[in-house]
Amino acid sequence: DSGVTQTPKHLITATGQRVTLRCSPRSGDLSVYWYQQSLDQGLQFLIHYYNGEERAKGNILERFSAQQFPDLHSELNLSSLELGDSALYFCASSVSLAEQDTQYFGPGTRLTVL
Amino acid sequence: AQSVTQLDSQVPVFEEAPVELRCNYSSSVSVYLFWYVQYPNQGLQLLLKYLSGSTLVKGINGFEAEFNKSQTSFHLRKPSVHISDTAEYFCAVTDRSGTYKYIFGTGTRLKVLA
Repeated sequence: DSGVTQTPKHLITATGQRVTLRCSPRSGDLSVYWYQQSLDQGLQFLIHYYNGEERAKGNILERFSAQQFPDLHSELNLSSLELGDSALYFCASSVSLAEQDTQYFGPGTRLTVL
Repeated sequence: AQSVTQLDSQVPVFEEAPVELRCNYSSSVSVYLFWYVQYPNQGLQLLLKYLSGSTLVKGINGFEAEFNKSQTSFHLRKPSVHISDTAEYFCAVTDRSGTYKYIFGTGTRLKVLA
């Protein structure tokens, strides 16, 4: 158990809908990262937040957005969903801003878009 | 921009045999390098990381990796594998310039045979 929690575990929805994925980092960790894992694209870095502020963006679509709240939990919002958005979404947390910090991954949310 | 290549998508090996999983990277700046393991239906777990100093890095579960700057490689090795090592292994890179963007390889599926 990494100490990172993600809810829900599974999510099934239809095209065009909007969903919110939630991540609670390990106690004391200030950084949260979001990743998408799919069969065709592999593991892709989406976005990084540190202490409530966005620090880096990766291959994140404009239909996707995220935020980190004062209690440090984070939410990833996916809108106008398409079949191709079906994937495993992971969040990870680390203690600080340093790139060399170990990232601790949650168990993931499996999103299925029908 | 960085990139990571994992040359082998699948590696079958017999129990107690040695294994090497290959990773090559490309970057115009100095990097940090990581190896993660993903067991079925779980998130990623850090095996080891290269930050600086000694080019031979030891990690958890008996794994080690060697950073080779001239060959831009960071191959993962284990002298004797167990059935429980069956998993997917990801090499990852991030640069040291503060972009906070992590690039993952496509993964190598290690299957340990009895």
